[in-house]
Amino acid sequence: KAGVTQTPRYLIKTRGQQVTLSCSPISGHRSVSWYQQTPGQGLQFLFEYFSETQRNKGNFPGRFSGRQFSNSRSEMNVSTLELGDSALYLCASSQDFRNTIYFGEGSWLTVV
Amino acid sequence: DQQVKQNSPSLSVQEGRISILNCDYTNSMFDYFLWYKKYPAEGPTFLISISSIKDKNEDGRFTVFLNKSAKHLSLHIVPSQPGDSAVYFCAASGDAGNMLTFGGGTRLMVKP
Repeated sequence: KAGVTQTPRYLIKTRGQQVTLSCSPISGHRSVSWYQQTPGQGLQFLFEYFSETQRNKGNFPGRFSGRQFSNSRSEMNVSTLELGDSALYLCASSQDFRNTIYFGEGSWLTVV
Repeated sequence: DQQVKQNSPSLSVQEGRISILNCDYTNSMFDYFLWYKKYPAEGPTFLISISSIKDKNEDGRFTVFLNKSAKHLSLHIVPSQPGDSAVYFCAASGDAGNMLTFGGGTRLMVKP
């Protein structure tokens, strides 16, 4: 069974640009969530989608957005990139509530 | 306000001995807890979880203990192996979907 797949793995963007990251959950998983990891703030929850609806949202500015498609695949978008957005962005999937949450390898974003 | 804390940033253990990693939480609404192992620039790997209706869960060399009255959980690894060297994160969630709150992590070093 394939795991959570994230693309791209590494990318470099310039301040002010926008970026879209993609996530394919484990087959059969309907919950997809996103996290940001930085050295200073650790692992922080961004948002969760379940059956194409945002179920939870973390404490991030509106520049961070996401969506989930009918096949459970998800994308997150960051607009007007800032240097502080440089981080490892992790996608996680789960069958439903209270099931094991599995993480992908992450997308490493560097903003210059 | 850190709702999940791992007070030991690092732990060094001899191969074959027991590793005990600790985690404290403050939010009494948390009722599902997970432990992850993580290498740099990779996604967290799920190890073991526990629901608040239990006080212990075992899976091979890994055992998690939950003390709800103390709002404390611990992960025991027996016997420790050099391959266990990584950063370990505890995470907690409540009844608001799959929204994980992570601790800051503990770096475990298992010496041969």
